[in-house]
Amino acid sequence: AQKVTQAQTEISVVEKEDVTLDCVYETRDTTYYLFWYKQPPSGELVFLIRRNSFDEQNEISGRYSWNFQKSTSSFNFTITASQVVDSAVYFCALRWSNYQLIWGAGTKLIIKP
Amino acid sequence: SAVISQKPSRDICQRGTSLTIQCQVDSQVTMMFWYRQQPGQSLTLIATANQGSEATYESGFVIDKFPISRPNLTFSTLTVSNMSPEDSSIYLCSVDYRSLGTDTQYFGPGTRLTVL
Repeated sequence: AQKVTQAQTEISVVEKEDVTLDCVYETRDTTYYLFWYKQPPSGELVFLIRRNSFDEQNEISGRYSWNFQKSTSSFNFTITASQVVDSAVYFCALRWSNYQLIWGAGTKLIIKP
Repeated sequence: SAVISQKPSRDICQRGTSLTIQCQVDSQVTMMFWYRQQPGQSLTLIATANQGSEATYESGFVIDKFPISRPNLTFSTLTVSNMSPEDSSIYLCSVDYRSLGTDTQYFGPGTRLTVL
């Protein structure tokens, strides 16, 4: 069965702290894709990153970085020097041969000034 | 990426009425999706809408309650029929957009529906 687990329901940190959002997935497929989306209070879902199962390279984009480890079936997301504008709900999602996305429950991130 | 717009952005409706949500994309796409997101919850897929064919509904969703139209490759509508307070949710339209050989789903801004 395909499954995505985001065990952290809510995280609260003070601005400028680093924070890591965890994502653990389950799939029997050898080819799959992992995604992170951000949903700010406005409600729109913003695509952040896509990672293919055959590409385990970590990715850095500004203050954002992603750590993909197939050995632990994890695709964690780190925000360095967090800012208030990072406050949002973050979703991890899995896609395999089917076109559908399997969504995690989401992690609500609160950045306090 | 694809640019997606939805109308209305929000609405407050009375029980028993229907609301039609429109989704417009700035490029031609094959697959469009409609999701529901209940307050504080993750996303739930309602149906997949391909142009030229009937929408495919997920378990728990039926055409009589959520009729969908897909008249062309850039437009779709979702109707929420005979609404009840339990239908109060954010409704999101998304499309598959191919980039670098892989499809990624991009989302519209959503429609916030409150049913009284």
